[in-house]
Amino acid sequence: QQPVQSPQAVILREGEDAVINCSSSKALYSVHWYRQKHGEAPVFLMILLKGGEQKGHEKISASFNEKKQQSSLYLTASQLSYSGTYFCGTPDNYGQNFVFGPGTRLSVLP
Amino acid sequence: NAGVTQTPKFRVLKTGQSMTLLCAQDMNHEYMYWYRQDPGMGLRLIHYSVGEGTTAKGEVPDGYNVSRLKKQNFLLGLESAAPSQTSVYFCASEGVHGELFFGEGSRLTVL
Repeated sequence: QQPVQSPQAVILREGEDAVINCSSSKALYSVHWYRQKHGEAPVFLMILLKGGEQKGHEKISASFNEKKQQSSLYLTASQLSYSGTYFCGTPDNYGQNFVFGPGTRLSVLP
Repeated sequence: NAGVTQTPKFRVLKTGQSMTLLCAQDMNHEYMYWYRQDPGMGLRLIHYSVGEGTTAKGEVPDGYNVSRLKKQNFLLGLESAAPSQTSVYFCASEGVHGELFFGEGSRLTVL
């Protein structure tokens, strides 16, 4: 079953912050985040492997609340290059059957 | 080091025709995946493989078959293409830390 993402889309001005949420009705064993630019393949951003873990990649960070079965991606001081569609993804408890959420389209305007 | 390579990149089929998409990876990864991507639907898992000679169904397997005869190759077949299979297909292989490496995608149009 697919994770759920919110919001579906967000428009920002350069320098503003955004939060993208990912949740699941089933247990999450790990959460991945990917970014896809228009016409390109998705690109890996980060993995969160256990509850409470937080990671960062430049000015993009994420948290994982295992108990609440949710993860959030934080984009601070957004740049034009952050525009794209962000997907969360998760495998099943065997580390297989990797499924993605429907995506959140982020547009950063000058 | 090419990473994940998909062929062909574009293809137009008529309804009822068959074709095979090839995914090749040179990173010695065990796990490989085929996804389709449609507007507003995100990436949906078609089939996956956890090693040479093994395959399993994903979310949307109907109308597709796969084979993993060699570790580096994962083939996706359409036996009788339908317009509903018009999509962009992505192959991915999984690295040692769990991250997915994607191919550039194959755009398929079924008329």
